[in-house]
Amino acid sequence: QQQVKQSPQSLIVQKGGISIINCAYENTAFDYFPWYQQFPGKGPALLIAIRPDVSEKKEGRFTISFNKSAKQFSLHIMDSQPGDSATYFCAASYGGATNKLIFGTGTLLAVQP
Amino acid sequence: GAGVSQSPSNKVTEKGKDVELRCDPISGHTALYWYRQRLGQGLEFLIYFQGNSAPDKSGLPSDRFSAERTGESVSTLTIQRTQQEDSAVYLCASSPGGRGLNEKLFFGSGTQLSVL
Repeated sequence: QQQVKQSPQSLIVQKGGISIINCAYENTAFDYFPWYQQFPGKGPALLIAIRPDVSEKKEGRFTISFNKSAKQFSLHIMDSQPGDSATYFCAASYGGATNKLIFGTGTLLAVQP
Repeated sequence: GAGVSQSPSNKVTEKGKDVELRCDPISGHTALYWYRQRLGQGLEFLIYFQGNSAPDKSGLPSDRFSAERTGESVSTLTIQRTQQEDSAVYLCASSPGGRGLNEKLFFGSGTQLSVL
C-alpha cells in the first residue's frame, strides 16, 4: 500500500515561533517529495520540494528535512506568521509513466498573532 | 486565463443524478490530473491525461466515474448516478507535461460537489 502518513492533524503556533510538520512514507521507490500549501477556497500550491539525494532544502523561511533511512521528511516554518495559516500537505511520487502524487492527510496550521 | 479554471465552483445535486465537472488547464500544459478531496482528508488521485497517450484511470473509484479530455485542452469529469459519498471537492491540476519530468502541479480552486 502506497501511503504517506502526516502529523499532526492540526497545529497552533505563536507568531515568530517554529512550525514543524512531519511525514513518513513506505515506498522506497518514491523519489520526489513536495509540500503543498492550501488556503480556504483555493487549490493547493507548491511550496517547496526535495529529492532524496539531499538531506535538507531551504527556501526563505521554509525548510524540508529529509531522512532517507527513516523514510521520513518534515517541513519547518521559521518565524511563523499569521499569513502562514493554511493547510499543509506533504506528498510523494516516483515519476514513471504517471506523475501520480500521493498526498498526506494534511495539517491545519494556525499562527496566532 | 492565467491559471487552471474549474466550473462550476459549487454544485448541489440530488442522489441518483448525473453531474459533469469542467476543467480548463493552463494553456500549453500537456498533463492534466483530477483529484478528489473529501472533508478532512488528503487529495485522492482519480485520473491523469498526458497528451494523446491513454489516460491513467487507476484512481477512479467506480465505473460511475469517467473523464474525457479534448486534445490538450478542456477536460470533463462525469459522475453518473451520484451517491452521497461522492460529496467532496474535485480538484483539477495541470503541468507542463512530460512523463515524470515536470512534477509541479498547478491546481484550480476546485468544484465543491454536494449530493443530497
